[in-house]
Amino acid sequence: EVQLVETGGGLIQPGGSLRLSCAASGFTVSSNYMSWVRQAPGKGLEWVSIIYSGGSTYYADSVKGRFTISRDNSKNTLYLQMNSLRAEDTAVYYCARDDGGDGHFDLWGRGTLVTVSS
Amino acid sequence: DIQMTQSPSSLSASVGDRVTITCRASQSISNYLNWYQQKPGKAPKLLIYAASSLQSGVPSRFSGSGSGTDFTLTISTLQPEDFATYYCQQSFSTLPYTFGQGTKLEIK
Repeated sequence: EVQLVETGGGLIQPGGSLRLSCAASGFTVSSNYMSWVRQAPGKGLEWVSIIYSGGSTYYADSVKGRFTISRDNSKNTLYLQMNSLRAEDTAVYYCARDDGGDGHFDLWGRGTLVTVSS
Repeated sequence: DIQMTQSPSSLSASVGDRVTITCRASQSISNYLNWYQQKPGKAPKLLIYAASSLQSGVPSRFSGSGSGTDFTLTISTLQPEDFATYYCQQSFSTLPYTFGQGTKLEIK
């Protein structure tokens, strides 16, 4: 079955770090463009980061310098390392596959909730 | 960044109604416009990509149109399972990808 499963969310204090994982099955992460998209409670969707099949990475200004996207080809898994977390980073984080590199997300995980609070 | 503005923000309709949601981009995005449906507690689901292409498995009552800056999502005959929040998203050449603020479709 083709699917994405995120893990790693939880409650973290401001200034802390967390690493999210997104395990893929049924397709190869490294052959696709993969993104992280987040959704604050009761709010809309916000694109966070992308890693291209060639390895280039890009970030939203709101997380640049604090978040790092990466992948482990041997584990077919996508990651999001989040440092210097702020209250405004509180959200459900989804990983998503960018179908064909056209920027539309055809496959999403269920999401993992990150809560930044003291 | 390209700003995406959806209207209306919320909409009440009845089963069987025809519904149209509009999305406007702050600059021309050609046809790089995608539509998603999201139900409470669930991940978004792709409905339409490239402005008018129906994603595999999506019912044909959903359709999209437009190019440049103005786009529409139409549901021809509302079904009970269509009550959800809908988002447009632009995927034009320059990052970041941006989403509209969402349109909540509620039962009248």
